[in-house]
Amino acid sequence: GENVEQHPSTLSVQEGDSAVIKCTYSDSASNYFPWYKQELGKRPQLIIDIRSNVGEKKDQRIAVTLNKTAKHFSLHITETQPEDSAVYFCAASINRNMLTFGGGTRLMVKP
Amino acid sequence: GAGVSQSPRYKVAKRGQDVALRCDPISGHVSLFWYQQALGQGPEFLTYFQNEAQLDKSGLPSDRFFAERPEGSVSTLKIQRTQQEDSAVYLCASSPNSGAKETQYFGPGTRLLVL
Repeated sequence: GENVEQHPSTLSVQEGDSAVIKCTYSDSASNYFPWYKQELGKRPQLIIDIRSNVGEKKDQRIAVTLNKTAKHFSLHITETQPEDSAVYFCAASINRNMLTFGGGTRLMVKP
Repeated sequence: GAGVSQSPRYKVAKRGQDVALRCDPISGHVSLFWYQQALGQGPEFLTYFQNEAQLDKSGLPSDRFFAERPEGSVSTLKIQRTQQEDSAVYLCASSPNSGAKETQYFGPGTRLLVL
């Protein structure tokens, strides 16, 4: 089945700096890649997603890039703010029935 | 409108007890997913419903786990003869159309602790 690896597991940045989280996937047939943010004790919420026919997508301070050849995709957060502190999960969908999630990255933004 | 809701929010069970976890998806959503999230890890897929049909149950860890969605709305995940390794947060998610290739709206989860 699909395997998704996520790095780093923890990331600490200063407020205003950029943060980058990377994920790799194993199955080249995967074609949908969402990113979810989960604050402590809360439900995961979608922040951005990308499909395999697109190389990059932006939404204000958040961007995702996809390299299908290398089978990896990354989340970029610019001008980080304390409220960006959370656990971020990448995921990949190879078939129509399920998402496979990475292990998560705990992002801490220091004021 | 109302989001996905789950009940109970917390459940403590003695090893060997049966438990039932409920998920109320967003009204009208076709797809419903169950995930298991162990502490400090990402959600792991358990099962998928399209309306009342359980199209994929490949993630259910054993035959002690059973899920249903008889009328295509509310779903129940049942765990029989609970074991300590079943302790986790059980997340339910729904999406408007069929399949996993669009936004999934998650519920707050049920935190299960098996003693």
